[in-house]
Amino acid sequence: GAGVSQSPSNKVTEKGKDVELRCDPISGHTALYWYRQSLGQGLEFLIYFQGNSAPDKSGLPSDRFSAERTGGSVSTLTIQRTQQEDSAVYLCASSLVPGSGNQPQHFGDGTRLSIL
Amino acid sequence: SQKIEQNSEALNIQEGKTATLTCNYTNYSPAYLQWYRQDPGRGPVFLLLIRENEKEKRKERLKVTFDTTLKQSLFHITASQPADSATYLCALVSWSGNQFYFGTGTSLTVIP
Repeated sequence: GAGVSQSPSNKVTEKGKDVELRCDPISGHTALYWYRQSLGQGLEFLIYFQGNSAPDKSGLPSDRFSAERTGGSVSTLTIQRTQQEDSAVYLCASSLVPGSGNQPQHFGDGTRLSIL
Repeated sequence: SQKIEQNSEALNIQEGKTATLTCNYTNYSPAYLQWYRQDPGRGPVFLLLIRENEKEKRKERLKVTFDTTLKQSLFHITASQPADSATYLCALVSWSGNQFYFGTGTSLTVIP
């Protein structure tokens, strides 16, 4: 079946521009996570959506970052007024069963964002 | 805040040998510990998880141990193959699954 799909796979933009990154989770998965991975670094948690609950935004690095999830499915991560330090791979993951840490995360292949 | 350390150096081993990767952590008591594999340009792929009350878990050539006293997990790949070459990530996970803390990963190269 279809896995987690992210688009675009690559994005190059100029400093100061806004970007939108999209994530289509696996159908039926209620939990959705966004991470950022810089070269040689681990996955940095950004935001977590679980069903209709208020999202956990504790990992967002600044107010230039925001995310939404419409209809409990597709999610969009928006970065406003991009800076060069925003360059990284942005990964999205979804998981099936809410409220349980014994469920694996299913990752997309990420969006590689480059800020010139 | 929690801190997770994986093998700081890349690991190179000969084909057929057992690869052992370490994941040490502090300032956190995870309910689960999960291991993922990541290939270049791809997202991580789940391999195994182990619960805090389990000592060891096996799946085919993979074995994971979990010592909550030492705050350490070991990940073993027996009879390693060049196709096992990848970066391996450990993740500390809360009971509810709303907290995932990933390590920086260990790059494994299996030499034919």
